[in-house]
Amino acid sequence: GENVEQHPSTLSVQEGDSAVIKCTYSDSASNYFPWYKQELGKRPQLIIDIRSNVGEKKDQRIAVTLNKTAKHFSLHITETQPEDSAVYFCAASEEYGNKLVFGAGTILRVKS
Amino acid sequence: GAGVSQSPSNKVTEKGKDVELRCDPISGHTALYWYRQSLGQGLEFLIYFQGNSAPDKSGLPSDRFSAERTGGSVSTLTIQRTQQEDSAVYLCASSLSRVSTGELFFGEGSRLTVL
Repeated sequence: GENVEQHPSTLSVQEGDSAVIKCTYSDSASNYFPWYKQELGKRPQLIIDIRSNVGEKKDQRIAVTLNKTAKHFSLHITETQPEDSAVYFCAASEEYGNKLVFGAGTILRVKS
Repeated sequence: GAGVSQSPSNKVTEKGKDVELRCDPISGHTALYWYRQSLGQGLEFLIYFQGNSAPDKSGLPSDRFSAERTGGSVSTLTIQRTQQEDSAVYLCASSLSRVSTGELFFGEGSRLTVL
């Protein structure tokens, strides 16, 4: 089955700096890759996703890149703000798959 | 309802007791998932329901765990003879259809503590 590894486990950045979180996956059949953000004590929420027919996708200060050959994808957050502090999870799924396999999560701390 | 609703929000039980956790998905969502989140860990897939199809139980960690979904709506996750390692937050999520076609909407979770 699918296995998703996520790095780093914790990341501290200064407000205004960029943050990058990387994930690798094992199943070459996977072609849907969402990212979820979980603020302290709250539920995970989708922030951005990408499909395998696209190499990069942007939404304001966040972007995701995908390298299908290398089987890795990354989340980029620019101009970080204190409200970006949260746990971020990457995930992978097959096109006709029934489940998302999540990475272990990255705790992002933005220091002001 | 407006979102995925889970109950109880917190449950403390003694080792060996059975517990039931309830999930009420968003109306109209055919797919329902249970995930487990242990302290400092990621989201571990447990079970998936899609319409009237047989559930995908491939993530259930042992035969002490079971789940059902009645009438294609409310779901109950049952843990029998609870163990301390069962302590975690149990998250339910629903989506309109297959996960790859859209967003998973999570509930607030049920925090289970086994003493």
